Amino acid sequence: NAGVMQNPRHLVRRRGQEARLRCSPVKGHSHVYWYRQLPEEGLKFMVYLQKENIIDESGMPKERFSAEFPKEGPSILRIQQVVRGDSAAYFCASSPQGDYGYTFGSGTRLTVV
Amino acid sequence: DAKTTQPNSMESNEEEPVHLPCNHSTISGTDYIHWYRQLPSQGPEYVIHGLTSNVNNRMASLAIAEDRKSSTLILHRATLRDAAVYYCILRDSAFGNQFYFGTGTSLTVIP
Repeated sequence: NAGVMQNPRHLVRRRGQEARLRCSPVKGHSHVYWYRQLPEEGLKFMVYLQKENIIDESGMPKERFSAEFPKEGPSILRIQQVVRGDSAAYFCASSPQGDYGYTFGSGTRLTVV
Repeated sequence: DAKTTQPNSMESNEEEPVHLPCNHSTISGTDYIHWYRQLPSQGPEYVIHGLTSNVNNRMASLAIAEDRKSSTLILHRATLRDAAVYYCILRDSAFGNQFYFGTGTSLTVIP
């Protein structure tokens, strides 16, 4: 989708490695959201960030997962010590301030081997 | 967030109108009704949203029942590119900006 850039598109990691997923929001959007979609399932909310702040991380697994959205640069979703169950498509979305809809990226497909 | 109920799947013939229903009987007065769709191997895409009145845009129309307990997304002429999973979502922005996706309706368009 135009505007939200996610990279890499595909990422293969061995069990125990770290995965770093990057998301550059639409220019001017200050809100970023991460979602995970397991095969044949719907999207599950993970975390909502504004610049330098985590607003809601209620959907994040308690261990190994972290997210940041620094003042400069893209938002990063980091998964430490990946396991096979982490294999999924991870989507990032952004929105401007206020009650607006999201613009989603095309996702990063993580495969853990 | 209030729950929505959608059929798991629907079929439509190409170039015919499609009516995708959504029930949301527990909707609150400040919940907006949003529709997104997800084409295969892509991220979700905004379709339309509304509060009380019917809405039209270049992609679709949204018909909202008078009691707001249900709504219908209308695609006026289905094309093969409309084959996707359609999600009906309620969001009360007073409690945060997150969207919570359900399982949606998988639309198949038959040539």
